[in-house]
Amino acid sequence: GQQLNQSPQSMFIQEGEDVSMNCTSSSIFNTWLWYKQDPGEGPVLLIALYKAGELTSNGRLTAQFGITRKDSFLNISASIPSDVGIYFCAGLFDSGSRLTFGEGTQLTVNP
Amino acid sequence: EAGVAQSPRYKIIEKRQSVAFWCNPISGHATLYWYQQILGQGPKLLIQFQNNGVVDDSQLPKDRFSAERLKGVDSTLKIQPAKLEDSAVYLCASRISGGTEAFFGQGTRLTVV
Repeated sequence: GQQLNQSPQSMFIQEGEDVSMNCTSSSIFNTWLWYKQDPGEGPVLLIALYKAGELTSNGRLTAQFGITRKDSFLNISASIPSDVGIYFCAGLFDSGSRLTFGEGTQLTVNP
Repeated sequence: EAGVAQSPRYKIIEKRQSVAFWCNPISGHATLYWYQQILGQGPKLLIQFQNNGVVDDSQLPKDRFSAERLKGVDSTLKIQPAKLEDSAVYLCASRISGGTEAFFGQGTRLTVV
């Protein structure tokens, strides 16, 4: 079945630093989604990407849909303590198919 | 707009007991998902509904797990009998028909002792 490899597994950074994480797939997707999950909560959608090569921003977050359609990247600029959480990528081939998740990147921001 | 509602938030049961979870998706969302999230892992799809029909249940352990969405709106997920390894957060998500963005509830944390 489809597998998403997300890296790094965890990151420890200082407040104000920029962060990058990525997700690669063994098969192509036509939609990439990035979610953030806080402890005890469900994942919250941050950014959605619909086209290969697309670059989309949401505040300090920027995500890119890889040209090969097998990868995606998320960048967070000028991190703040509330950025702490687990970030998940998810891929979808079409609206009728399974939404597959990566294993997550645990982000810790030290004040 | 109300989000995806799930209940209960927490449940503790003994192994071999039964348990049921409930989900009410966002109004008008035809697609409903149930995911299992084991601590430290990403969500894993258990079952996907389109209205009241099952689209994908290939990863549902059918010997003990069952789910239904009889009227195409809210859904229940049942485990009978529970095993220790079923301890996890059970997440429900919904998506508008033809759309690609899925929205999640807060989840039900199940502990099997």
